[in-house]
Amino acid sequence: GPKVLQIPSHQIIDMGQMVTLNCDPVSNHLYFYWYKQILGQQMEFLVNFYNGKVMEKSKLFKDQFSVERPDGSYFTLKIQPTALEDSAVYFCASSLWGGAEQYFGPGTRLTVL
Amino acid sequence: AQSVTQPDARVTVSEGASLQLRCKYSSSGTPYLFWYVQYPRQGLQLLLKYYSGDPVVQGVNGFEAEFSKSNSSFHLRKASVHWSDSAVYFCVLSAGTGGYKVVFGSGTRLLVSP
Repeated sequence: GPKVLQIPSHQIIDMGQMVTLNCDPVSNHLYFYWYKQILGQQMEFLVNFYNGKVMEKSKLFKDQFSVERPDGSYFTLKIQPTALEDSAVYFCASSLWGGAEQYFGPGTRLTVL
Repeated sequence: AQSVTQPDARVTVSEGASLQLRCKYSSSGTPYLFWYVQYPRQGLQLLLKYYSGDPVVQGVNGFEAEFSKSNSSFHLRKASVHWSDSAVYFCVLSAGTGGYKVVFGSGTRLLVSP
């Protein structure tokens, strides 16, 4: 089936640094999502993105977070500056239309020291 | 307001037994409902989806789910489980066409014992 790729698979950074998580969504999909999952816990919605704009975001999507997809390339999640509580696995997903089934990437494990 | 409740955090069944994982939802509009499975250290895989029509939908690996508007439920079933079905299962609600809000249930961890 369709594949969503995420780069890197694991990132370790010091608190206060900037990090960018990259997602390569399914090629013809138009809606993009980021989720946060702390080990063994619930999948938490962060944000969704369509037509170059954030459509909806949760309370977890702090001011330090930003997303973009410049020129149809990677869909990125940037955290600047990072905090200890940002340590989690971040999943990217994409869907063909809003409300459709989403295809998930394998996740990026972010460790903030 | 939209919400999804999976009342069972953990379910243990014997291999070969039948399975039902419960999901209750609340939606102000037409709900689009999904079941996803997450194997250890992996992303989520779609098991099945419901948009409209026949309330019983078939998914992969012998899974099916039944939508009930009157009960606001979307329970997942399987006639005979295999040890490889051990995973975490998420029930997910979307707000429908053009809807951007996606709500995940808290997940049910399924353990299939030999």
